[in-house]
Amino acid sequence: NAGVTQTPKFRVLKTGQSMTLLCAQDMNHEYMYWYRQDPGMGLRLIHYSVGEGTTAKGEVPDGYNVSRLKKQNFLLGLESAAPSQTSVYFCASSYSEGRGSYEQYFGPGTRLTVT
Amino acid sequence: DAKTTQPPSMDCAEGRAANLPCNHSTISGNEYVYWYRQIHSQGPQYIIHGLKNNETNEMASLIITEDRKSSTLILPHATLRDTAVYYCIASPNDYKLSFGAGTTVTVRA
Repeated sequence: NAGVTQTPKFRVLKTGQSMTLLCAQDMNHEYMYWYRQDPGMGLRLIHYSVGEGTTAKGEVPDGYNVSRLKKQNFLLGLESAAPSQTSVYFCASSYSEGRGSYEQYFGPGTRLTVT
Repeated sequence: DAKTTQPPSMDCAEGRAANLPCNHSTISGNEYVYWYRQIHSQGPQYIIHGLKNNETNEMASLIITEDRKSSTLILPHATLRDTAVYYCIASPNDYKLSFGAGTTVTVRA
């Protein structure tokens, strides 16, 4: 199993450009998440999904959109990138509640710089 | 979710037990205590979680006080590879976790 993978690993954008970050998991997890981590800080939840076709806002959703068209994929979009979105983005997945597993599995991260 | 308070940093000696404290004095009855760690710039890694009882797994032990206002994560035999940022999180579920600044643990040879 590859676990949670993220594409791309690095990206540099100019202000105003758009891009999509892809997260894929092969563990048949129902829940998926997008976090951002700024230097010296903890992770903050951007959006999450509790199942295919569903998404919900997290702590810092502004400036981002997400889609979960397939159970194994969770896409994070930046429509008009801003320097404040320079960060490391982590995707994670987990089983749904009641499945006896409380662990979130994280991907390796995408380092995004907006100039 | 209850706020947690952790020391910003701590050192420990290789081979000794590392005891990481966490204060969560406002935790409510349905909130679990979760511990994750982040090694260098990798994605966080789940360590352990508990509600009321002490818990142990192959990585660590979690001791929760009877009033549940604080807890301690114990790494029984710290190695250099345990150097990481450790996050203590209080949450009623496992899908809306709020990561604070954590404790930077440095294991020294």
